[in-house]
Amino acid sequence: EDQVTQSPEALRLQEGESSSLNCSYTVSGLRGLFWYRQDPGKGPEFLFTLYSAGEEKEKERLKATLTKKESFLHITAPKPEDSATYLCADPLPGYALNFGKGTSLLVTP
Amino acid sequence: NAGVTQTPKFQVLKTGQSMTLQCAQDMNHNSMYWYRQDPGMGLRLIYYSASEGTTDKGEVPNGYNVSRLNKREFSLRLESAAPSQTSVYFCASSDPDRSDQPQHFGDGTRLSIL
Repeated sequence: EDQVTQSPEALRLQEGESSSLNCSYTVSGLRGLFWYRQDPGKGPEFLFTLYSAGEEKEKERLKATLTKKESFLHITAPKPEDSATYLCADPLPGYALNFGKGTSLLVTP
Repeated sequence: NAGVTQTPKFQVLKTGQSMTLQCAQDMNHNSMYWYRQDPGMGLRLIYYSASEGTTDKGEVPNGYNVSRLNKREFSLRLESAAPSQTSVYFCASSDPDRSDQPQHFGDGTRLSIL
């Protein structure tokens, strides 16, 4: 069974303190690995799609990387506005998404 | 740009009542999805519609029905609500003909069943 596991469940950082979130997956023949950000009371907002091992994508303070079994979301010098839940997912048949449970990030001033 | 619009935003029901959650998208996407999100469980797929006129079950379809009314609209119906269906429901849409395009989500319907 395809599983997507995220760690840690929760992470508290000081402003400027860089760190990484992990997403591991078990499916073979990956057809994409998606990262989303979700703010309280809102729907998930798309960040990145990665397709092949070694691929990297960046957006502001975020950089997503992909290996054969896991993906990392690196957060460099985070700001309080980066506080959110970060979700990763891989595709199911029919192009629906199989989500991990998310990492709740809190960045304090 | 509206994107994916869900109505209502909040709803409280009594056990046994029925209701329909509405979803509409204005991005001309072929595929639409319904997920539920519960604490500690993440987002789970209820039903999806790969294209107009088709619907398929997801991971947790029991107690729900869906209708793909047209290309824009995809509704989710609870025929006899149960407390276990208390959740936040998200609708999403995508265009799978473009593999680089992600799913776009609405802001959810928060449903409480008493």
